[in-house]
Parts: sequence; structure tokens; C-alpha cells
Amino acid sequence: NAGVTQTPKFQVLKTGQSMTLQCAQDMNHNSMYWYRQDPGMGLRLIYYSASEGTTDKGEVPNGYNVSRLNKREFSLRLESAAPSQTSVYFCASTGLSLNTVYEQYFGPGTRLTVT
Amino acid sequence: LAKTTQPISMDSYEGQEVNITCSHNNIATNDYITWYQQFPSQGPRFIIQGYKTKVTNEVASLFIPADRKSSTLSLPRVSLSDTAVYYCLVGLKPPNDMRFGAGTRLTVKP
Repeated sequence: NAGVTQTPKFQVLKTGQSMTLQCAQDMNHNSMYWYRQDPGMGLRLIYYSASEGTTDKGEVPNGYNVSRLNKREFSLRLESAAPSQTSVYFCASTGLSLNTVYEQYFGPGTRLTVT
Repeated sequence: LAKTTQPISMDSYEGQEVNITCSHNNIATNDYITWYQQFPSQGPRFIIQGYKTKVTNEVASLFIPADRKSSTLSLPRVSLSDTAVYYCLVGLKPPNDMRFGAGTRLTVKP
């Protein structure tokens, strides 16, 4: 199992450019999430998808769109990047662990810089 | 959503027991309490989850009083490698809208 994978690992964009961050999980989880983490801060929820075919806004959805392509994949799109979107982006999925608790599994993150 | 409050930072020494308390006054009946650990440049990692009383696993214990308005993560005999940020989350099972607070930055000194 690869767990949660994210691409790319690093990206530099110019203001106004667009890009899509990709996330995939191979654990057959229903729920998937996108977070951003600014330096020295906690994680803030951008969007989440409780199940295939549904998406909902989190705390900071402005400037982002998401697509739950299928059960495995959940992408995050920046249509017109702004310097305020410089951050580390984490994708996560949630499922029932062997200990019958709901654990969130995180990807390695994407470091995005917008100049 | 239940709002959580944790200390911003804590210091400890190797070999000591560390207790981090999280306040969640408006926890709902169906909410579970979950703690995560995050090292620099990595995503958070699950530590422990509980609903009431006490839960223990190989790395930590979680104490939840009867009113469930707070919880305490207990790390026995910490080492330098336990230096990290610890987050308390309160949410539904199964979790949907999972929100992290600012977390508690634990520094373990030699």
C-alpha cells in the first residue's frame, strides 16, 4: 500500500497562473480532505469529500476548487494563483483502522510558492 | 463544530511524563476525540482516539472525564523524538468536517 500520494512535491507559480494538485489513496477510504498549512500555523481545512460524488467547503475554500474524480482521487485546483496561497498543501483520507477507530492518513504534502 | 482550546506550547525533559489538556466545552453527543502528532515538514500522524473514560495504546493514554468537556493526552517518559506539535480534534464518527486547531508545540529537552 502506498497510502496517500500527492503530486507534485514542489511547485512555483507566478501570480495568475493555474494548477491542479493531485491526490490519490489506495486504502478504499470514503472521505478525503485538502488542508493548507502556513508557516508556524496549524492546518486549515479547504475542502473535503465525505464520499465519492460529494464535496463540501471547509474553513478556507475561497480561491480553490476540488474534484472527487472517483473513490481514489481528489484533486485541488487553483484557478488564478495569488501570493496568499503560498503554503504547504496536505491531502488526507479517513478510514476505519484495525483498532476500529477512524484515522486520518496524510500525504507527504505539496510545497507551493506563488511569486 | 466543537471548538478546541489547547496550550500553545509546553516544555519537558527526557524521561518525564507529559500531559497536554484540550478544552472542548461544546462537544456533541456523537463526537469522538482524536489526537494527532506532527513533525516538521510532515503530515500529521494519528496517535489515539477515544469517546469516554480512558483509552491506552502503545504510545499514549487519553483521559476523558465524565462531562467530556476536556481531554488529556498523556505521553509517558518522553524522549527528544517526541518534540512535535500535538493537535486535539473533536468530530463525528465517521468524521466528515475535520478541523485542526493551532495545536500544542511540545519541546523535549535533554
